[in-house]
Amino acid sequence: DTGVSQDPRHKITKRGQNVTFRCDPISEHNRLYWYRQTLGQGPEFLTYFQNEAQLEKSRLLSDRFSAERPKGSFSTLEIQRTEQGDSAMYLCASSPTSGSIEVFGPGTRLTVL
Amino acid sequence: DQQVKQNSPSLSVQEGRISILNCDYTNSMFDYFLWYKKYPAEGPTFLISISSIKDKNEDGRFTVFLNKSAKHLSLHIVPSQPGDSAVYFCAAKTSYDKVIFGPGTSLSVIP
Repeated sequence: DTGVSQDPRHKITKRGQNVTFRCDPISEHNRLYWYRQTLGQGPEFLTYFQNEAQLEKSRLLSDRFSAERPKGSFSTLEIQRTEQGDSAMYLCASSPTSGSIEVFGPGTRLTVL
Repeated sequence: DQQVKQNSPSLSVQEGRISILNCDYTNSMFDYFLWYKKYPAEGPTFLISISSIKDKNEDGRFTVFLNKSAKHLSLHIVPSQPGDSAVYFCAAKTSYDKVIFGPGTSLSVIP
């Protein structure tokens, strides 16, 4: 296990469609984070998990967004009824504990047409 | 309300000279500060960090300085190399919370 992986790397979809992204963290990492980054901005926190428990959700995470980490390993982020404003880079990160450095994956770039 | 600010969107430096990237924060509860580096089409990569109990941390060509009274930190890269050209994110956190990122500074090191 060499790092955090994300799939797909790129996704182009039409407005109104649903999309799902997957993140595989470093295997011994208990914490998993989702961030969103738009052009000219730093990553913005969306949500995080401690094992399978979702402990915090940002107000950026509207009702159309849902994240899961069913077995405390990989995580999925689903966006329903995508809008053009959802176009961004979606980043996943993991860390072994709360006070540790977060290691980021390469991101999934979403383009909503 | 932007808790971590990087007021310079871009910076150009000649190869071999010093690069100084600045960052300001507003939340006095932050106790850990980090710098991440990001190349296009990649995720951010951790570069260097500093605890609030220190005022300097050095790692090779990279040094981070923290001025808690001014709520200011800076990243010094010396000597700068063309491979250092990237976007640098300043970030901060409390011990048990998520990382808050600044908007980033795009560094160009000119050969």
